[in-house]
Amino acid sequence: LAKTTQPISMDSYEGQEVNITCSHNNIATNDYITWYQQFPSQGPRFIIQGYKTKVTNEVASLFIPADRKSSTLSLPRVSLSDTAVYYCLVGDRQAGRRALTFGSGTRLQVQP
Amino acid sequence: EADIYQTPRYLVIGTGKKITLECSQTMGHDKMYWYQQDPGMELHLIHYSYGVNSTEKGDLSSESTVSRIRTEHFPLTLESARPSHTSQYLCASSELGATNEKLFFGSGTQLSVL
Repeated sequence: LAKTTQPISMDSYEGQEVNITCSHNNIATNDYITWYQQFPSQGPRFIIQGYKTKVTNEVASLFIPADRKSSTLSLPRVSLSDTAVYYCLVGDRQAGRRALTFGSGTRLQVQP
Repeated sequence: EADIYQTPRYLVIGTGKKITLECSQTMGHDKMYWYQQDPGMELHLIHYSYGVNSTEKGDLSSESTVSRIRTEHFPLTLESARPSHTSQYLCASSELGATNEKLFFGSGTQLSVL
């Protein structure tokens, strides 16, 4: 069972870079790491995904060390609208079949 | 934008009623999921499906049932609603078979059982 561990909450100020780390010690060899963002009363939304090293898109970067037992989501120059809960996901095994289960996530609060 | 729809958006019902939460997607995805989420809490997987006629229970025990008769449709049913079922229910879909699968979520159904 591949579970993830993240900090429960983080605080930041507008314009700062925010790094959220996720531990996934039991990640399967062929599994990717995916991060989602969730605002209140909405479903989570895909942010970024990676397998190893570094991935960057228009909203974030994802750093994955060689052992893949952790990953770090980096949000450059956050704004108030980045206040949300961030989840990292890896594959899971339910009765021998692959499913996706969420951990507790990290609640990011961005202050003016 | 993802094309996955949930209805109703909000539902208030009395105890003992039978309800069905609808979820449809137009992306042709084989895998579909139902998650339950209480305010400020994490999402719990309650059901998932690999395709037509495939349904599995998730890691959270749920009194709900699901069916998958058509690829695009994955309804969730509560035979007799109780106040403990009050929660947000989120439906998602993804492509089958990929270890890099990406979930696309609907807007959710906020259920209140009085």
